[in-house]
Parts: sequence; C-alpha cells; structure tokens
Amino acid sequence: DVKVTQSSRYLVKRTGEKVFLECVQDMDHENMFWYRQDPGLGLRLIYFSYDVKMKEKGDIPEGYSVSREKKERFSLILESASTNQTSMYLCASSLIADSYNEQFFGPGTRLTVL
Amino acid sequence: GDSVTQMEGPVTLSEEAFLTINCTYTATGYPSLFWYVQYPGEGLQLLLKATKADDKGSNKGFEATYRKETTSFHLEKGSVQVSDSAVYFCALDDNQGGKLIFGQGTELSVKP
Repeated sequence: DVKVTQSSRYLVKRTGEKVFLECVQDMDHENMFWYRQDPGLGLRLIYFSYDVKMKEKGDIPEGYSVSREKKERFSLILESASTNQTSMYLCASSLIADSYNEQFFGPGTRLTVL
Repeated sequence: GDSVTQMEGPVTLSEEAFLTINCTYTATGYPSLFWYVQYPGEGLQLLLKATKADDKGSNKGFEATYRKETTSFHLEKGSVQVSDSAVYFCALDDNQGGKLIFGQGTELSVKP
C-alpha cells in the first residue's frame, strides 16, 4: 500500500511564526502536491513538484513556499503565519508513469493560526 | 480555465436510499474524470475514474458515466449505507502534468 504521511494531525501556531509542514511518501513517486481544503472551496493547489529540487506554483501560492531536497519528502513552509492560513492542509503524491494519474493523499494537518 | 462544479451539500439520506451527486465540468481538452471520497478524519482516496467519453467507472457499488455531450460525471449508488457517510469530490485531470482540479465537495450523511 502506498503510504503518504504528514508530520502532524493538528497544529496550533501564533501569527507571525514560521511553520513547517512535512510530508513523506514511501512509493518512489515523482510527483508531490500540497493542497489546502476549506469548506465550500474544495481543494486548492498551493504548490507541486515533479522531481527533487523542482517546484511549480499552483493556484494559491501566496504566503507559502516549498522544499523538496529528497524524492520522498515535500515540505510546505509558511514564512510568517497569518490567521487566514488556518485550514486543513493535504499532501498527495503520484507516479508520472501512471496514465490514470491517481493521487494518493495523506491524512491531513489541521492548522490553526491564532 | 478548466473547472469542476458539484451540487451543494450536505445531502442527508436514509439507509438504502438512492444517491445521486451531480458533477459537471468545463475543460478545453479531453480530461480524465475522477471521484474521490474523504471519510471522517482521513485524507482523500480514489473511489472511481473514467478516462474517455462513455466510460463507466465503478467501485463499492458506486458508478459514474463520463458524458461528453453534457460535460457531466454524476455519481450514483442504488442503496446507500451508513458507512458511506463522507465527503465526495469530483475532479478532472487537466492533462498538464499530473495536476487535478477538484470540485468543492459534497458532504453525504446517511441515517439508519
């Protein structure tokens, strides 16, 4: 079974703090994604990566950055957390060679910024 | 740009009722279409998919048919169970390197 794990299920931070969300997948997938999930808005893509050290902006990259130093790990960074970044954050991975493009998701991190 | 629109929830049904969750899409090409399900406290998991027009995806009693003429991919199940309570997301692959575009999600609650 593909496993995508995220470092925390719940996180509470203060405004202005630097926040790191970590994601690890164990199936040698090339693609990795960070989404945020908000009620009524579905999933919105923040950043994605096709390979180590490569990153592409998604639909809502403002206020976020990412790091992919190793193939299995994709980190989302909130440089200076703000209350409007309170959300559920989901990481996913997929195989480039998979023509069906199935993405495998982690359990999510619910971040609250006070 | 490409987009996905789902019917708004929450949808509340009694056990053994028939389920339909509507999904329509806008796309310039020929996308693959997906339904993902998110059970309480968990991440999303793929429920079913269809890659071309008139394909029918099916899994766990759920079905959806890729209708190009109506740009739709409605999710159906003949008899829902309490364990089907979850949030359901329709999505399309925009054929731009593995990205998916998701609808807003529809929450389903099934009562015994």
